[in-house]
Amino acid sequence: GIQVEQSPPDLILQEGANSTLRCNFSDSVNNLQWFHQNPWGQLINLFYIPSGTKQNGRLSATTVATERYSLLYISSSQTTDSGVYFCAVASGSRLTFGEGTQLTVNP
Amino acid sequence: ETGVTQTPRHLVMGMTNKKSLKCEQHLGHNAMYWYKQSAKKPLELMFVYNFKEQTENNSVPSRFSPECPNSSHLFLHLHTLQPEDSALYLCASSLIGAGYGNIQYFGAGTRLSVL
Repeated sequence: GIQVEQSPPDLILQEGANSTLRCNFSDSVNNLQWFHQNPWGQLINLFYIPSGTKQNGRLSATTVATERYSLLYISSSQTTDSGVYFCAVASGSRLTFGEGTQLTVNP
Repeated sequence: ETGVTQTPRHLVMGMTNKKSLKCEQHLGHNAMYWYKQSAKKPLELMFVYNFKEQTENNSVPSRFSPECPNSSHLFLHLHTLQPEDSALYLCASSLIGAGYGNIQYFGAGTRLSVL
């Protein structure tokens, strides 16, 4: 099956800092999603981005499908950005999740 | 609000109990999923239902029994669970078909503790 690696595993920021999270995957995909899991367990869809670049407010994502990686950019981080960020990929209907990046934003 | 509702949010059960988790989606999707998330681990796919038919069972023990009566509702029946089954159980739904991209939306999860 597809392998998904996320880095870094943990990230601590001061409020207002910028960050980049990375997701590497081992095979061609037709679906790549970024999620934010809040401290209560809810998974929030951030981006559906099998290729290209998208922006939503302070967040943006880029997937380079030919090189099998995706990046999630968080600018001007806020304490509410804390939580775990997951990348998930699929070549069919089965989504495979990475192990996540635990982000802590301190005031 | 993601359009996927799970109940209950929290559940404590003994190893001899029988309980059920419920998931309902209001998005008009045709596929539904159960995932398990144990502490400090990524999500693991358990079951996939496509148009009410089970299309994937990811080697899940028989003490977990899914049921999908229609495209909007999904249940996970639990019996004689083990303490290691304690986890967050997440339901998701998506629209499967040409051009839809299979974008999955998740419920808030049921946090299960087995004593």
